[in-house]
Amino acid sequence: EAQVTQNPRYLITVTGKKLTVTCSQNMNHEYMSWYRQDPGLGLRQIYYSMNVEVTDKGDVPEGYKVSRKEKRNFPLILESPSPNQTSLYFCASSLGIFNTEAFFGQGTRLTVV
Amino acid sequence: AQSVTQLGSHVSVSEGALVLLRCNYSSSVPPYLFWYVQYPNQGLQLLLKYTSAATLVKGINGFEAEFKKSETSFHLTKPSAHMSDAAEYFCAVTLTGGGNKLTFGTGTQLKVEL
Repeated sequence: EAQVTQNPRYLITVTGKKLTVTCSQNMNHEYMSWYRQDPGLGLRQIYYSMNVEVTDKGDVPEGYKVSRKEKRNFPLILESPSPNQTSLYFCASSLGIFNTEAFFGQGTRLTVV
Repeated sequence: AQSVTQLGSHVSVSEGALVLLRCNYSSSVPPYLFWYVQYPNQGLQLLLKYTSAATLVKGINGFEAEFKKSETSFHLTKPSAHMSDAAEYFCAVTLTGGGNKLTFGTGTQLKVEL
């Protein structure tokens, strides 16, 4: 089954404790991205990757890091989480960006206290 | 810069009534437009997409959308709402030369009442 898998689904952590949210896709997609979803703001792109070892900032990259060492994996790293990073996070993948369907993971609900 | 505006953060309809969710885009070049749906506690899934092949686009679950260049709109409609349509709907746009990203609207929560 074609899917994007994120882990964990739910996470409560404390300010400053480094964490990683994993994302993996099994569709051999080149393009992957991370979004955060906040009430009234829709989805905002954090980072994206057009291929292995190629990553770039989206609209709200501050406080986040990513890496793309393998085509299928695109982890999101929060080196020092803060309460304003409490949000619902989605990973997505697609064949390309312009005329292709994006496939989304189930989401990770992160709470930073 | 590319952007989409969704009018109405919450829309409520009766079961069997017409669903109309509004989306306007801002673009100086031909856009690619999408509607995604998000059911509770799930990720987003594609409802339909406009790719310039036809202005009236049919999607899954009986939804359709019409691209109107003169109005810069891509409104989503469904003739008869069903309880299972209750979800949040997002309009999104991407452009060639507009950066490598899909830009989402702020979403419209659809409520279907008996």
